[in-house]
Amino acid sequence: DTAVSQTPKYLVTQMGNDKSIKCEQNLGHDTMYWYKQDSKKFLKIMFSYNNKELIINETVPNRFSPKSPDKAHLNLHINSLELGDSAVYFCASSPTGVGYTFGSGTRLTVV
Amino acid sequence: EDKVVQSPLSLVVHEGDTVTLNCSYEVTNFRSLLWYKQEKKAPTFLFMLTSSGIEKKSGRLSSILDKKELSSILNITATQTGDSAIYLCAEETSGSRLTFGEGTQLTVNP
Repeated sequence: DTAVSQTPKYLVTQMGNDKSIKCEQNLGHDTMYWYKQDSKKFLKIMFSYNNKELIINETVPNRFSPKSPDKAHLNLHINSLELGDSAVYFCASSPTGVGYTFGSGTRLTVV
Repeated sequence: EDKVVQSPLSLVVHEGDTVTLNCSYEVTNFRSLLWYKQEKKAPTFLFMLTSSGIEKKSGRLSSILDKKELSSILNITATQTGDSAIYLCAEETSGSRLTFGEGTQLTVNP
């Protein structure tokens, strides 16, 4: 299936742990993104990569580190997880100048 | 950072009603205005608007952009229970960045 797929779909972990979320797209898009959706449903951009190059890096704690090994993958690694990191994280991709396709989200719960 | 404001934040209607959802945005580096529908999981794309005054339609849904007023509306006619969702408006600015509004939670009761 052509899609943006992210894993895992659910992640429950303890404070202080380090975790990664993976994202892959097979749409041939140039740009990939990470968005965070908090409990109030606000979607906010975190990072954007274009052809493996970081182009948007919002004010996000440096415990969050994106990695793009190639154009089709954008992973998100989070160190020293905190309670406030609990949210749904969406990966997305877009060709240049057209709307996004979102992945189905990873619900992260930090306990 | 540009701000996108949606209204109302929530709306409860009966099947068959027509609804109008509003979105206003700021203009810095504007490229397009997008509407998404979010049910349980990923936002799904509805419309992308770049030109003022040109209505885009998809079935019972339609949307239009007013660049003078820096606003857009999303209309849904003859609503059905399956239209219940959060409707998100987003402004695309340079760098393909999307700034989302808070969303309108639409509930359609039978």
